[in-house]
Amino acid sequence: AQSVTQLDSQVPVFEEAPVELRCNYSSSVSVYLFWYVQYPNQGLQLLLKYLSGSTLVKSINGFEAEFNKSQTSFHLRKPSVHISDTAEYFCAVSGGSNYKLTFGKGTLLTVNP
Amino acid sequence: DTEVTQTPKHLVMGMTNKKSLKCEQHMGHRAMYWYKQKAKKPPELMFVYSYEKLSINESVPSRFSPECPNSSLLNLHLHALQPEDSALYLCASSQVMGGENTDTQYFGPGTRLTVL
Repeated sequence: AQSVTQLDSQVPVFEEAPVELRCNYSSSVSVYLFWYVQYPNQGLQLLLKYLSGSTLVKSINGFEAEFNKSQTSFHLRKPSVHISDTAEYFCAVSGGSNYKLTFGKGTLLTVNP
Repeated sequence: DTEVTQTPKHLVMGMTNKKSLKCEQHMGHRAMYWYKQKAKKPPELMFVYSYEKLSINESVPSRFSPECPNSSLLNLHLHALQPEDSALYLCASSQVMGGENTDTQYFGPGTRLTVL
């Protein structure tokens, strides 16, 4: 069975500050890892994903995440956040013959002026 | 293009009504999903269709009835719902169900359902 732990339910930061949203997973097979973002009153948008290859993956809006197999982590980082980054962020894992996306409970990132 | 569309955006219905939610994708994906999301919670999987056939039903009550008329379209028929069924209903699609490079699911904007 797979599981995902997002250690922080809420992360408040000031605009232009760096941020890290933590995600740890548990799985007995090779995994694919995802970060989804959900803006208020909207659906989920794929932010970035790790399937294979380079362990550092980047999004078009400045976020990046690094797959660390030894620490079973996939933390999301951004060096300088904007107010528009305020949203709920979900880490998710799938893999092997498991068709399911297993989500973490989500982290609410609130960027204050 | 990675767009999944859903209609309507909002739906209010009584407990005796019958209504349907619609989801459409034109990415050539052969797996489509229905999720239910309550406030402040992650999405919960309800159904999975693979090549237009129902593959997974996550023990969803029969008042929810999915339908996949063709490879681009997914419906969710609603009947005799309860107030606790009020939630955001999300549709997603992926190339196929499971497997490397095909596990990426793309979500629609959702339908906000309120049951009175």
